[in-house]
Amino acid sequence: EPEVTQTPSHQVTQMGQEVILRCVPISNHLYFYWYRQILGQKVEFLVSFYNNEISEKSEIFDDQFSVERPDGSNFTLKIRSTKLEDSAMYFCASIVGPGLGLADTQYFGPGTRLTVL
Amino acid sequence: EDQVTQSPEALRLQEGESSSLNCSYTVSGLRGLFWYRQDPGKGPEFLFTLYSAGEEKEKERLKATLTKKESFLHITAPKPEDSATYLCAVQGTYSGAGSYQLTFGKGTKLSVIP
Repeated sequence: EPEVTQTPSHQVTQMGQEVILRCVPISNHLYFYWYRQILGQKVEFLVSFYNNEISEKSEIFDDQFSVERPDGSNFTLKIRSTKLEDSAMYFCASIVGPGLGLADTQYFGPGTRLTVL
Repeated sequence: EDQVTQSPEALRLQEGESSSLNCSYTVSGLRGLFWYRQDPGKGPEFLFTLYSAGEEKEKERLKATLTKKESFLHITAPKPEDSATYLCAVQGTYSGAGSYQLTFGKGTKLSVIP
């Protein structure tokens, strides 16, 4: 069964450093997402990406964040200068694309645990 | 703004003791309501999608139902392996290209005691 994969599973970094989180969405999917989950809190939307551009972003997704699809398979989230409050689980998700008035299921990856020291 | 409230926050059940989890939502226009299971340190695992009031879906010991304001996840004769956090999420209607992101509730942490 196709699945979303993410690397690394755990990333430890120093405050102010840049990190890149990587995701390989399911191969025939067209919409890609990043969410984060701070320990003990709800899963929060960060950004959606379609047709090689951002389609929507949340207030959390400020100028320190960027996303890219550098090739036909990878989807990355970059944090330019990490802060302590960026410590969280980051999940990548993807969908085939919206059906005729129906929602498509988002499939999530296993996550990357980011720890900022 | 879409909102999702789940109750209870935590639920302890004896093995075989059936119960229900609640998800109340407000959304401008519902495209879909999703239930996910999340194990500690893992990503959300898809369980069900419900599209319209009155719809029901079943999978093993789980049954999800939907009304215009809430959804229930019924667990029949649970086993210890059903222990997890169950997440509810909604996808609202957007005009134009849209982005179809999900709004999640905080989840219900279910513990099933042998």
